[in-house]
Amino acid sequence: DTGVSQNPRHKITKRGQNVTFRCDPISEHNRLYWYRQTLGQGPEFLTYFQNEAQLEKSRLLSDRFSAERPKGSFSTLEIQRTEQGDSAMYLCASSLGGRSGNQPQHFGDGTRLSIL
Amino acid sequence: AQKVTQAQTEISVVEKEDVTLDCVYETRDTTYYLFWYKQPPSGELVFLIRRNSFDEQNEISGRYSWNFQKSTSSFNFTITASQVVDSAVYFCALSEESDDYKLSFGAGTTVTVRA
Repeated sequence: DTGVSQNPRHKITKRGQNVTFRCDPISEHNRLYWYRQTLGQGPEFLTYFQNEAQLEKSRLLSDRFSAERPKGSFSTLEIQRTEQGDSAMYLCASSLGGRSGNQPQHFGDGTRLSIL
Repeated sequence: AQKVTQAQTEISVVEKEDVTLDCVYETRDTTYYLFWYKQPPSGELVFLIRRNSFDEQNEISGRYSWNFQKSTSSFNFTITASQVVDSAVYFCALSEESDDYKLSFGAGTTVTVRA
């Protein structure tokens, strides 16, 4: 069990650029979640997958955000035309879910995005 | 509406003091889970404990203990004999059956333990 891995750890980019983050979950976990955390706040849910299916997208996720999990393993989160307000820590988590979807989510170290 | 409220923003104590972190939640579900996570300065969220809504038994794990009271919708967390390494932000979170068990976090409590 190598834990949830996210890269890059830090991303600095200019406003208007596109960015993509990657998350590798714990290998046997079928659920994968993306959260956003701003300074002084708890993480806020963005979207999640069960295997390759995206089950829900939060209203926080504008059309500029897209997430994929093409083979039910790793996931990518892309932000197009970045804005200042996108600056945050983006956290990925994974868990065993489904019929008894109550297993703890395990988090990665996060990707800190800074928009100049 | 905020589902999880952590009223304490910051707590500062001297090493070996006990620290109690408050968490109040709101849900209409009968089946739900409550969690505590620790976020040290390095940034990773570390899972500490999960309790389900049908088990109000308090739990102790080393220097950590949790007090779950459905009557007051509270799930408080106590660190006994605090250590400098306990310095972190602590988050309480709720997952509800009606919401497919997604996590709703409180705003967190920053604990600083001084030597």
